[in-house]
Amino acid sequence: GQSLEQPSEVTAVEGAIVQINCTYQTSGFYGLSWYQQHDGGAPTFLSYNALDGLEETGRFSSFLSRSDSYGYLLLQELQMKDSASYFCAYSNYQLIWGAGTKLIIKP
Amino acid sequence: GAGVSQSPSNKVTEKGKDVELRCDPISGHTALYWYRQSLGQGLEFLIYFQGNSAPDKSGLPSDRFSAERTGGSVSTLTIQRTQQEDSAVYLCASSLRGGGARETQYFGPGTRLLVL
Repeated sequence: GQSLEQPSEVTAVEGAIVQINCTYQTSGFYGLSWYQQHDGGAPTFLSYNALDGLEETGRFSSFLSRSDSYGYLLLQELQMKDSASYFCAYSNYQLIWGAGTKLIIKP
Repeated sequence: GAGVSQSPSNKVTEKGKDVELRCDPISGHTALYWYRQSLGQGLEFLIYFQGNSAPDKSGLPSDRFSAERTGGSVSTLTIQRTQQEDSAVYLCASSLRGGGARETQYFGPGTRLLVL
């Protein structure tokens, strides 16, 4: 079957670094995406990994290991505005989504 | 348009009534997706359009759900004989060509449906 696993909640301190893990199980794989969703808002795209390794976009980085069926999102220099839910997703043509990780940031 | 728009933003209906949800994708985007999100949950794929055709309807939860897209643009999701378990946020997204994870999907603000 197809599934993604990610922690339901992660807590971190403002200014710190946090890593949100995602493991997946699928018969076909075309890359891993990460989306951010603030409460009451729509998901917005953060990053996409098609190949193994690290993709960096400002304070956010995403990593993929296809051999381990594993990826993570790394958020650095956490700001209060980063408090949101983070979803990993993969697909061929449509997206299969994890249940999301709620990131709670404490001052 | 500048972004994906959806209407209505909120809909309260009585059990057994039909509802229509509308999505206007970004102009020029050939791929359109409908998702459903229950409170505190991830997104559940419903249906995908490439142009006006729907190559994948596998996510539609029952035959009460249907969707169409006309002119390669606007899409309507119809839920007939609504049930309380249909209450959720219905999100529409569009992308340029339909490459799934390889392409950024741009989401609308969603329609919050409450079935009483």
